[in-house]
Amino acid sequence: DAGITQSPRYKITETGRQVTLMCHQTWSHSYMFWYRQDLGHGLRLIYYSAAADITDKGEVPDGYVVSRSKTENFPLTLESATRSQTSVYFCASSETTRADTQYFGPGTRLTVL
Amino acid sequence: AQSVAQPEDQVNVAEGNPLTVKCTYSVSGNPYLFWYVQYPNRGLQFLLKYITGDNLVKGSYGFEAEFNKSQTSFHLKKPSALVSDSALYFCAVRDIEDGNNRKLIWGLGTSLAVNP
Repeated sequence: DAGITQSPRYKITETGRQVTLMCHQTWSHSYMFWYRQDLGHGLRLIYYSAAADITDKGEVPDGYVVSRSKTENFPLTLESATRSQTSVYFCASSETTRADTQYFGPGTRLTVL
Repeated sequence: AQSVAQPEDQVNVAEGNPLTVKCTYSVSGNPYLFWYVQYPNRGLQFLLKYITGDNLVKGSYGFEAEFNKSQTSFHLKKPSALVSDSALYFCAVRDIEDGNNRKLIWGLGTSLAVNP
């Protein structure tokens, strides 16, 4: 089915472990984004990508790594998970027109014990 | 600095009554403005956007929003609220004169509760 998907939907891990969250979109949108959503903070941008092999930091990039070797995929890796990274993570993609509407995936709820 | 404010953390309205969710913004140039809705345990869904033209924008599920440049506001409205409208609503803005930067600036969200 067309759209934007995230996996896993739920993940529990331990402090210090590496975790990768996957994001896949079928629209061939150039732009992709990773956000985290925490109570009281709304949505905060972690990283974004303008195209394959082009990524840039957002508001809260520390502790996260991204890559984008293919247009449709934008994985987010927590190199050494910390409890403060417990959050709900959303991936989004954006049209290449100037309308800039972002379309969101269903989210991944990550718990770091 | 660019910013978005949603001055109300929560809005309560009775079913059938009109609803308004407020949003004000600050950008140095001209804005693109967006409203999104988030239902529990779901991702954000696009509702409507203002790019240019008519200040009254109509969107999904009977929602509309009015762009007011002088007041730098983009309030979300619906003439008759439904219980199913209960959700978290986010306002977002992009400064279209900010180069090719596609990042949106987000408000903190307003929780709408529609009471039967």
